Formats: sequence, C-alpha cells, structure tokens
Amino acid sequence: QQQVKQSPQSLIVQKGGISIINCAYENTAFDYFPWYQQFPGKGPALLIAIRPDVSEKKEGRFTISFNKSAKQFSLHIMDSQPGDSATYFCAPEGTSGSRLTFGEGTQLTVNP
Amino acid sequence: DAGVTQSPTHLIKTRGQQVTLRCSPKSGHDTVSWYQQALGQGPQFIFQYYEEEERQRGNFPDRFSGHQFPNYSSELNVNALLLGDSALYLCASSPGVSLEQYFGPGTRLTVT
Repeated sequence: QQQVKQSPQSLIVQKGGISIINCAYENTAFDYFPWYQQFPGKGPALLIAIRPDVSEKKEGRFTISFNKSAKQFSLHIMDSQPGDSATYFCAPEGTSGSRLTFGEGTQLTVNP
Repeated sequence: DAGVTQSPTHLIKTRGQQVTLRCSPKSGHDTVSWYQQALGQGPQFIFQYYEEEERQRGNFPDRFSGHQFPNYSSELNVNALLLGDSALYLCASSPGVSLEQYFGPGTRLTVT
C-alpha cells in the first residue's frame, strides 16, 4: 500500500518562476507534514513543516498549503533560484512515533 | 555544534558478508532513527532507538539489527548481505519525541 504519493516526479522551472510540488497521503493518523530538501551526496534537510491546525505556512520563499479534507499538502517555492535545484520529499509523520514516511521525491531543476 | 555524523562514508562489501554502520547524533539528541535510501527513491524507515531500546521498526527483515549506546550513538548491523541491500543508509536524530529529525550525510553501501 502506497501511503504517500508525490507529484510531479520531475520539474523544470526558469529562474524567478514558481515551483509547485504536491503530496497526497492516505493515513489519517499523520499529523505533522514536513518537506525535506536533498542535494546530491547529502542527507535530507528539513525545509518547512506544518501542523494540521493551520491551512498555510510561509517561511521566506517557501510556503506549505494544507488541505486536510483532501489529504493533500503542497510546497510552493516562489522566485525559484538555481540553488534550489535539488530533490524534494514530502514525509508526513504521526505524533505517536517519530517515523517519517517519505514520498518518492521530486527532482527540481531551476534553469538560470 | 556538530551535526549528525556517520561513518564510514562509503563501503563495499561482498554478498553474504556482514556490515556495521555507525552514527553519532546531534548534540542534545537522544533518539536515533535509521533509513535506507535506494537510488532514485525516498528513504525507507528501518528502525528507531530511544533509551537504548528499539522503539519502532519498519518492514525490514531480522538481518537488519541495531544498537544504541549510553552516549546515544548508534550502530546499524546488516547480516548476510544481498545485492539489494546496496543503498545509502541514513541516520537521523531528534531530541526525545520531537517531530523534527536531523539527518546525517549517510553511508553509501555497495554490495557486489
């Protein structure tokens, strides 16, 4: 059973554009919704996260939008930069244990 | 403040052999989780250690075992290596039951 599904698999954006990555989940026990960023040869790094009591959270150029009824959340990267080129993972988690369930990843390329 | 460290960086083993990977958590963190990341995929949860006990386990066979030491560092052991065990092994640490997990750079294991 695939609990977390990410889309798209890959994304190419021009510098200054908006990057949007989506994540759909099945497990209603999830109640912490982070996005991780991973560069080649590195471990994932927490980028931004949201709890289900809010529908949107913004940190700088990064915004999470959360739709509890649809069991979906998305990452928006405004004014995308070449340095944002990386693989992005959604990894929802339940508070009963700190086990992250990763999506398949989205490879983002921002062209200069 | 040192982050999560892992050793070795790279490792090449032969099918059937055994391997031990090591992880030192971020300062102040007492919970360690291990993940396996196959090439081009999202990390998969192996298990989590807290207070020197395995607290949670993912869908991995008994060939995968671990240990946590009093100083919170941890080891991941894999016996009877298979070709399919080739992957990047990631260690993540967190303070107690905090939802925020911090990842190390990983150990790249190649089984030939």
